[in-house]
Amino acid sequence: EAAVTQSPRSKVAVTGGKVTLSCHQTNNHDYMYWYRQDTGHGLRLIHYSYVADSTEKGDIPDGYKASRPSQENFSLILELASLSQTAVYFCASSSINQAPLFGEGTRLSVL
Amino acid sequence: QQQVRQSPQSLTVWEGETAILNCSYEDSTFNYFPWYQQFPGEGPALLISIRSVSDKKEDGRFTIFFNKREKKLSLHITDSQPGDSATYFCAARDTGGNNKLTFGQGTVLSVIP
Repeated sequence: EAAVTQSPRSKVAVTGGKVTLSCHQTNNHDYMYWYRQDTGHGLRLIHYSYVADSTEKGDIPDGYKASRPSQENFSLILELASLSQTAVYFCASSSINQAPLFGEGTRLSVL
Repeated sequence: QQQVRQSPQSLTVWEGETAILNCSYEDSTFNYFPWYQQFPGEGPALLISIRSVSDKKEDGRFTIFFNKREKKLSLHITDSQPGDSATYFCAARDTGGNNKLTFGQGTVLSVIP
């Protein structure tokens, strides 16, 4: 069964600290994405990747880095977490021309 | 820049009624429109989708109507059930080949038994 697994499911971080969110897919998909969800804004694309060892900027990349060390794994990195980065983060994967399959989300609170 | 807009923000219908969720877009290069359903605490799940070459797509109680000239589409949920209570997102993908989706802000649907 197709699956996108995110870890951790929730995290509390301190302002200025480093945060790494991880995503693993078992779907053999080339594309992986990180989206951010805030109330009233829907989902906004942060970074995406269509091949291992390469990442692309999405619509709101500032303050975030991404890493795709293998086809299955895609990480989102907040080097200096800020209050404004409190949100729910979703990872997704897809094949070309296919609608993305989403994970369960990671709820991040920056204090 | 909000390229995909949804209305209403929230909608309440009685069980058995038809719920109509609206979506509009600005970018004429958008050619694929998936709708996602999201329950609290879960990730969005693909519900139904349509390509711009079609004007209607039906899947059980869920139907998308698409008007390319007006850049509008709508999701109709017939015989609404309490289990349909969720947030619905309209999304759009362009022809650029990068497979990126742009999402609307969502419509929260409540179905009263």
